Amino acid sequence: GDSVTQMEGPVTLSEEAFLTINCTYTATGYPSLFWYVQYPGEGLQLLLKATKADDKGSNKGFEATYRKETTSFHLEKGSVQVSDSAVYFCALTDIMDTGRRALTFGSGTRLQVQP
Amino acid sequence: DSGVTQTPKHLITATGQRVTLRCSPRSGDLSVYWYQQSLDQGLQFLIQYYNGEERAKGNILERFSAQQFPDLHSELNLSSLELGDSALYFCASSPATLGHEQFFGPGTRLTVL
Repeated sequence: GDSVTQMEGPVTLSEEAFLTINCTYTATGYPSLFWYVQYPGEGLQLLLKATKADDKGSNKGFEATYRKETTSFHLEKGSVQVSDSAVYFCALTDIMDTGRRALTFGSGTRLQVQP
Repeated sequence: DSGVTQTPKHLITATGQRVTLRCSPRSGDLSVYWYQQSLDQGLQFLIQYYNGEERAKGNILERFSAQQFPDLHSELNLSSLELGDSALYFCASSPATLGHEQFFGPGTRLTVL
């Protein structure tokens, strides 16, 4: 079945540091890929998405590129802020299974940014 | 604010009891999904409804059931509750035609004592 693997956290960075959170996936079809963010005490918010190979999703300074050859979708940000402290989830939906649109999530990576 | 609403926000109950969680999707969204977030299992898909019909099932226990009503709101029913059912339950919705983007509600935190 489909699966998503992300680097374990917590990741602790100083403000303005460079962020990378690794994500790799296994899928039987041709998935769409997502990064969701969960701030403390809140629900999940879509951060960015990519639906085909070599697509780059971007939002709020975060970027991720859909790499089919390495089955990866790593999240990056050039300069993190304290307000970026949250849990980040990599996820996919497999578009080959037309009856199922559910998201398969990774385990989440907690990011802590220190001033 | 995603436009998806969930009630109640918190629910505390005892083992063996039954509870109902409610979700209202974004205006116009036909698909509703239920997810469970727990410390040991992470985020897991439970069940999906599309325009009133069950579309897909994930790791949903037989003690759990759901339905989507004609006005598209959905309810998740959890019965014979066990301590291990304590978790955050999220509802998400998506449009019928626009990709696979899902919009999540704020969740219902269930505590079983």
